[in-house]
Amino acid sequence: QSALTQPASVSGSPGQSITISCTGSSSDVGSYNLVSWYQQHPDKAPKLIIYEVTKRPSGVSNRFSGSKSGNTASLTLSGLQAEDEADYYCCSYAGPNAYLVFGGGTKVTVL
Amino acid sequence: EVQLLESGGGLVQPGGSLRLSCAASGFTFINYAMSWVRQAPGKGLEWVSLISGSGSDTYYAQSVKGRFTISRDKANNTLYLQMNSLRVEDTGVYYCAKGLHRIYFDYWGLGILVSVSS
Repeated sequence: QSALTQPASVSGSPGQSITISCTGSSSDVGSYNLVSWYQQHPDKAPKLIIYEVTKRPSGVSNRFSGSKSGNTASLTLSGLQAEDEADYYCCSYAGPNAYLVFGGGTKVTVL
Repeated sequence: EVQLLESGGGLVQPGGSLRLSCAASGFTFINYAMSWVRQAPGKGLEWVSLISGSGSDTYYAQSVKGRFTISRDKANNTLYLQMNSLRVEDTGVYYCAKGLHRIYFDYWGLGILVSVSS
């Protein structure tokens, strides 16, 4: 099972909005509304920020939002802040054989 | 407070074995699926394996199928990963993660380093 495709890096200025794409296939993202997103700061464990495509866990800022169209899921960060500088990973259910697959990760830089 | 604490990592030669443990506390262990997720040095996250709350269902990434075995001990609230026939490419930090609706990881351990090298 191939990893989901994410851009290697995305950048934006404070206060701006950025969007990270996560492209899969009809075997994973396209077939299931079971996409999640994780934020990982350097040398820290990942943190769940979006699940089931659009839902935010309790305590996660509403500046994070998720969406999906066809085989591509997206994460939007609004009102970009310095603390948002981190790596972001998407993950999708991929059926009973492959089960779960992560994207390669996107480094977000706040200019 | 949910806590997950991994142990058992270290340096091992190619072809060797290791068993990772993850001590869980702060939640009803048997009610939640658990997973192992790894991260090679400087690389991205890779899901490794998942076990259901009851322990009856297990799932593996193709890269570890047949070599790794996930299990859980409900009496001791502990998750395990038995890793056999280790390869250099298995090197990385291994995280234990609690499942939300099974396939989402809402709590993570700090991670434990596994190094496979001769």
